Amino acid sequence: AQSVTQLDSQVPVFEEAPVELRCNYSSSVSVYLFWYVQYPNQGLQLLLKYLSGSTLVKGINGFEAEFNKSQTSFHLRKPSVHISDTAEYFCAVTTGFQKLVFGTGTRLLVSP
Amino acid sequence: SQTIHQWPATLVQPVGSPLSLECTVEGTSNPNLYWYRQAAGRGLQLLFYSVGIGQISSEVPQNLSASRPQDRQFILSSKKLLLSDSGFYLCAWSDSNYGYTFGSGTRLTVV
Repeated sequence: AQSVTQLDSQVPVFEEAPVELRCNYSSSVSVYLFWYVQYPNQGLQLLLKYLSGSTLVKGINGFEAEFNKSQTSFHLRKPSVHISDTAEYFCAVTTGFQKLVFGTGTRLLVSP
Repeated sequence: SQTIHQWPATLVQPVGSPLSLECTVEGTSNPNLYWYRQAAGRGLQLLFYSVGIGQISSEVPQNLSASRPQDRQFILSSKKLLLSDSGFYLCAWSDSNYGYTFGSGTRLTVV
């Protein structure tokens, strides 16, 4: 069965600084990977997804992620964060578009 | 376009009362459907998923059940709520073209 590990429960960063949110997965078969963002009391919004092709995936709001098969990672990056990026970020994995397994989430806290 | 509707947005229920949360999807046929729960300060736990009408898979033994009476309708139920059932419930659908799309969620507080 697949699993996802988000090692950082909280990441504090200053506005306009770069940020990386780490995600590692475990699976014995090929995977599809996703990053979602959740603002307080709201549902999940898809930031980006890796299904196949280029390992560098660009998403909304200036975020990007790189699929690294050898390191089983899918880290999320943004070169310059804004106050409005403060939210909870979830990494998720599936192997066949049935069960989507989530990490425990990383809270990004952007300060002025 | 595909849309997903989930209601109600918030719900306060006494312990021991029944529960029914409904989710409907538009603009697609035969989607995979899911119920997730997010407890306070925790990640998302898959509760149920369905690949077709009447086909329900339960991930976690608990006080809840799910049903899929129509292709694009997914219902989460309980006969008697517990305090531990409080949380944020999210419905979702998926296909191989779009990935997963989530509803706006229901905040359930059991008092």
